[in-house]
Amino acid sequence: QLQLQESGPGLVKPSETLSLTCTVSGGSISDANSYWGWIRQPPGMGLEWVGTIYYTGNSYYNPSLKSRVTISIDTSKNQFSLRLSSVTAADTAVYYCARHGKARIDYWGQGTLVTVPS
Amino acid sequence: QSALTQPASVSGSPGQSITISCTGTSSDVGAYNYVSWYQQHPGKAPKLMIYEVSNRPSGVSNRFSGSKSGNTASLTISGLQAEDEADYYCCSYTSSSTWVFGGGTKLTVL
Repeated sequence: QLQLQESGPGLVKPSETLSLTCTVSGGSISDANSYWGWIRQPPGMGLEWVGTIYYTGNSYYNPSLKSRVTISIDTSKNQFSLRLSSVTAADTAVYYCARHGKARIDYWGQGTLVTVPS
Repeated sequence: QSALTQPASVSGSPGQSITISCTGTSSDVGAYNYVSWYQQHPGKAPKLMIYEVSNRPSGVSNRFSGSKSGNTASLTISGLQAEDEADYYCCSYTSSSTWVFGGGTKLTVL
């Protein structure tokens, strides 16, 4: 059974860079049928797709975040990572990592709350 | 890209059926059959309920069904049960090789 686990600081200062890592177990991150993505959810609000990476390194980003987001992948560690620069309080959210294809997001991490104080 | 449009809330009594709409554009919902639906209970990660417009993953009740017409997708839940009370989100792949979610719909079982 595929499992994903987010890790990283729960508190990030304004203007600094948010960094999270997702560790994948029970399957290979090099699976050609899988994309690996980050989705976030501000408290009390809806889901927002942040970005996605393929095992080849091809990445895709939400246009509204593109200038601040970098997603990378480390196939040797079966991990992928998110970096979001110049954070503000508006970036406070539960961040989920997930495995998905074009048509479905079928495995989700438990989510990790990242708070940026105002 | 703009979020897909969903009603903020819907409600129904046990045993009834409800439908949640998800309206996009010809660049997302209307472009491909890559629409999916997620159920989220408070404090939990979302759960895939429908993919490719109308397909159910293994283990999802057949009370959940999906459809699409033009730029609007729909999720129907029949035989409402108390456990169905949750937030529901649609998601679509787009012609820009991105993904976009709907704003979410809160389902209340009366």
